[in-house]
Amino acid sequence: AQKVTQAQTEISVVEKEDVTLDCVYETRDTTYYLFWYKQPPSGELVFLIRRNSFDEQNEISGRYSWNFQKSTSSFNFTITASQVVDSAVYFCALRGGSSGTYKYIFGTGTRLKVLA
Amino acid sequence: DARVTQTPRHKVTEMGQEVTMRCQPILGHNTVFWYRQTMMQGLELLAYFRNRAPLDDSGMPKDRFSAEMPDATLATLKIQPSEPRDSAVYFCASGVEETQYFGPGTRLLVL
Repeated sequence: AQKVTQAQTEISVVEKEDVTLDCVYETRDTTYYLFWYKQPPSGELVFLIRRNSFDEQNEISGRYSWNFQKSTSSFNFTITASQVVDSAVYFCALRGGSSGTYKYIFGTGTRLKVLA
Repeated sequence: DARVTQTPRHKVTEMGQEVTMRCQPILGHNTVFWYRQTMMQGLELLAYFRNRAPLDDSGMPKDRFSAEMPDATLATLKIQPSEPRDSAVYFCASGVEETQYFGPGTRLLVL
């Protein structure tokens, strides 16, 4: 069975603080894909990043960085120097790589509040 | 900048009425997904298609929900008859190369 756990329901930080959102996943597939999506107050789900299981390089995009660790089945997301505009619900998702599998498993989301 | 479009963006209807939601996937995408989001249940996958063929609709209440892709540029989700518990935001997403992109959603309120 596949599963994504986002244990942090809600996090509040003060602007300019760094914050890490945790994501732990379970899968038996040897090939799989991990994602992060952002849902701002406007409601739209915005794709942030995709990571393939065979590529363990961490990634940085501006103030955003992602730490993929297969050994701990984690794909954590760090926002450096947070801003009020980062306030949103963030979802981690998993898609297995088995043939014919296109289903995405989403975590329950972490609500991030960045206070001015 | 290609985007998934959904219509209507908001819908208020009365219990028992038919509701049709439409989605235009991004041109060239070969998978289409329908999700429902509520505070209580979070994001639920209702159905999905690949190359217009339905692959899985196990997440849908079969007696009242139906999903179709009449052509590559249109996916529809119908609820008949609608019930108050169907009130939610319905998202369509289209995908290619393992990544899916979401539309803005249809906010449905059934009175």
